[in-house]
Amino acid sequence: KQEVTQIPAALSVPEGENLVLNCSFTDSAIYNLQWFRQDPGKGLTSLLLIQSSQREQTSGRLNASLDKSSGRSTLYIAASQPGDSATYLCAVDAGGTSYGKLTFGQGTILTVHP
Amino acid sequence: DAGITQSPRHKVTETGTPVTLRCHQTENHRYMYWYRQDPGHGLRLIHYSYGVKDTDKGEVSDGYSVSRSKTEDFLLTLESATSSQTSVYFCAISEVPGRYGYTFGSGTRLTVV
Repeated sequence: KQEVTQIPAALSVPEGENLVLNCSFTDSAIYNLQWFRQDPGKGLTSLLLIQSSQREQTSGRLNASLDKSSGRSTLYIAASQPGDSATYLCAVDAGGTSYGKLTFGQGTILTVHP
Repeated sequence: DAGITQSPRHKVTETGTPVTLRCHQTENHRYMYWYRQDPGHGLRLIHYSYGVKDTDKGEVSDGYSVSRSKTEDFLLTLESATSSQTSVYFCAISEVPGRYGYTFGSGTRLTVV
């Protein structure tokens, strides 16, 4: 059974810092990996999707990398801002008979203080 | 989120009563999902649908049933609500999972007393 772990569980940084969030998964046979953002009391917003054949994806100040063989992904946030404060979740799609069904990590709560 | 709405947003119900949550989409996406989110467990898949009348179970399907009679609506029913089903329920839609990602609804907070 696929398990997804996110480290750290919480992170507090001053504005302007570059930071890295980590996601690891136990079964490397994945179809893709996604990063989401969740604001308090809200739904999830999709940030980046990395296919299993890709090494990284970029969107603005966000960069996500994928090392399938080692079962790891990182989300890099450059020049953090208070508006980046949220919970960040990674999720893997195993594909095959599990196609489209996501297994989520428990998230990293990020606080960026002015 | 635009294109997907969940109702109700909040509900308090008594143990043993039936409850139905509704997910409505205007995107004409084929795939629809129900997840629950609990502290310490993260999001877990309850049921999903890959087309009208085509549904399947997820990781935590016991005590839940679903129906999809139209592309735009995916209903989640708790046949006899229990306190362990107190949770936040999220619906998600996808046109092509794994290619275009997912859109999540804003959630339904359900409390079973």
